[in-house]
Amino acid sequence: DAKTTQPPSMDCAEGRAANLPCNHSTISGNEYVYWYRQIHSQGPQYIIHGLKNNETNEMASLIITEDRKSSTLILPHATLRDTAVYYCIVRALYNTDKLIFGTGTRLQVFP
Amino acid sequence: DAMVIQNPRYQVTQFGKPVTLSCSQTLNHNVMYWYQQKSSQAPKLLFHYYDKDFNNEADTPDNFQSRRPNTSFCFLDIRSPGLGDAAMYLCATSRDRVAGSTEAFFGQGTRLTVV
Repeated sequence: DAKTTQPPSMDCAEGRAANLPCNHSTISGNEYVYWYRQIHSQGPQYIIHGLKNNETNEMASLIITEDRKSSTLILPHATLRDTAVYYCIVRALYNTDKLIFGTGTRLQVFP
Repeated sequence: DAMVIQNPRYQVTQFGKPVTLSCSQTLNHNVMYWYQQKSSQAPKLLFHYYDKDFNNEADTPDNFQSRRPNTSFCFLDIRSPGLGDAAMYLCATSRDRVAGSTEAFFGQGTRLTVV
């Protein structure tokens, strides 16, 4: 069952910030929010993950609302190479460690 | 350097002829996954290994089997490929939570064509 809801597609101008929303209203206390992206014909690539605090790394920032029911992935200065499908995944870190993909958002960065 | 290697990148097989896809990793991760990805769809988890423990998804057809002879290698066997099995097959690895970072690393995939 899908645990996340994302818009199917978004556009962003090159150099501008891309803000990708994700709704995960049924998230439970031990579930993390992960973001991956998949550039055409390649394997998915890890971007960032978080539990309840905002996170930042060299690729992106992750903003999680206080109630943890939604989050936003921010690419601060989008480039053409950021054109990809972005997946928001809710993942419980039990022993089985499943990673289940939802439908994702297709981000198109234009010049 | 590639850390999760899938061979071959492209595989053509005949309808009904068994085919094996392989995945190797240099990360010494204890969790390995196999996904099927059809055109314009998200990757769909088929099964995964937690160490030697095999975890099958409930809706994975019996036609799909897997073997993990050691930590580094994992195989996907399709016993009787049908036209509907044509897809990209992705292998991924990760550590478990106890071991630390749990990001998953994906291979480049094997694109399977069934003729």
